[in-house]
Amino acid sequence: IAGITQAPTSQILAAGRRMTLRCTQDMRHNAMYWYRQDLGLGLRLIHYSNTAGTTGKGEVPDGYSVSRANTDDFPLTLASAVPSQTSVYFCASSGQGGPTGELFFGEGSRLTVL
Amino acid sequence: GEDVEQSLFLSVREGDSSVINCTYTDSSSTYLYWYKQEPGAGLQLLTYIFSNMDMKQDQRLTVLLNKKDKHLSLRIADTQTGDSAIYFCASESDYKLSFGAGTTVTVRA
Repeated sequence: IAGITQAPTSQILAAGRRMTLRCTQDMRHNAMYWYRQDLGLGLRLIHYSNTAGTTGKGEVPDGYSVSRANTDDFPLTLASAVPSQTSVYFCASSGQGGPTGELFFGEGSRLTVL
Repeated sequence: GEDVEQSLFLSVREGDSSVINCTYTDSSSTYLYWYKQEPGAGLQLLTYIFSNMDMKQDQRLTVLLNKKDKHLSLRIADTQTGDSAIYFCASESDYKLSFGAGTTVTVRA
């Protein structure tokens, strides 16, 4: 089934540890995004990539990094996790043929930093 | 940046209509979206409306846009238990999306 796959589904992490959340899509979409979802705040954009080889900062990029070596993969790395990064993380993509905001989302990765 | 606001909760009786409201601040918004999130899942696009339209209907869903007041609403006719979810309004401006905090809709029998 075509779509976005995120891993891990859930993770508990000690503060200070490094963590990479993986995201893979098989829809050949050019644009990919990472959002975090926090209660009462909705979704906030962390980083995005309009096409392979390029990335950009979103609304809340501090403490996170991304790479886009190819079209399909868009990993999100927390270099040194802190408790405020406890959240649910969603990867999304958008392709040609529709408005920019027509996003396809993964199932989410729930991260708890202790 | 863009502010998008929604009420946090809505309770509706099964079979009634649900109306979820949203306001946004950016008058240059090009598209406005409604997404649905079921428990434990990612967001799924329900519908969207271009900013030069007033209304869009898609089966049980009706979107109304008042551009002058920067007000968007989603009406769900004949609400069913499967409509229980969080609904997010989103505004697009300059190719970027801003999401509201989400409205949790609870359908009671």
